[in-house]
Amino acid sequence: EAEVAQSPRYKITEKSQAVAFWCDPISGHATLYWYRQILGQGPELLVQFQDESVVDDSQLPKDRFSAERLKGVDSTLKIQPAELGDSAMYLCASSSPLLAGVTQYFGPGTRLLVL
Amino acid sequence: GQQVMQIPQYQHVQEGEDFTTYCNSSTTLSNIQWYKQRPGGHPVFLIQLVKSGEVKKQKRLTFQFGEAKKNSSLHITATQTTDVGTYFCAGPGGNKLVFGAGTILRVKS
Repeated sequence: EAEVAQSPRYKITEKSQAVAFWCDPISGHATLYWYRQILGQGPELLVQFQDESVVDDSQLPKDRFSAERLKGVDSTLKIQPAELGDSAMYLCASSSPLLAGVTQYFGPGTRLLVL
Repeated sequence: GQQVMQIPQYQHVQEGEDFTTYCNSSTTLSNIQWYKQRPGGHPVFLIQLVKSGEVKKQKRLTFQFGEAKKNSSLHITATQTTDVGTYFCAGPGGNKLVFGAGTILRVKS
């Protein structure tokens, strides 16, 4: 069964450093999501792509976070500089087509710890 | 903005007991989805409900969508240790899914 791939699975960094996460969605899925999940809470959407275009980045802290999906396939989420409060699980999900009620398939996530 | 609330936050049951989690939205939903996240894992889609008053079953799991399409529930009959995890409901808010905070289920064997 096709899966969403993410790397790295774990990342430990010091505050003020830069970190980057990578996601490869299920083949053919045009919609890609990046979520942040803080321990004990539900996933919170950071950014949503339709192909290579950003559909929603209203919750993305744009002073330090950036996301791109240049060729409309895989995607990178970057944090620079990282802050202590960024420690969380970063989940990537994909779906097809662009409808709010469509099932989202999640990757295994990247667990970030900022020291 | 839209809010999705879940109760209880946490439930610890004896194996074989039933379990129910409730989901309430601040707005009427066109549909509601349920996901399960095992400890250390990622959310996995369980089901989507669309119709008012809809009831769907998956083996020991029963999902309901309220008549007003603002609330939903997930009921597990005779819990097993494999049921442990966090159960999330999620509803559409604009073009995105809004997740509840989840209900953590622990099962004592």
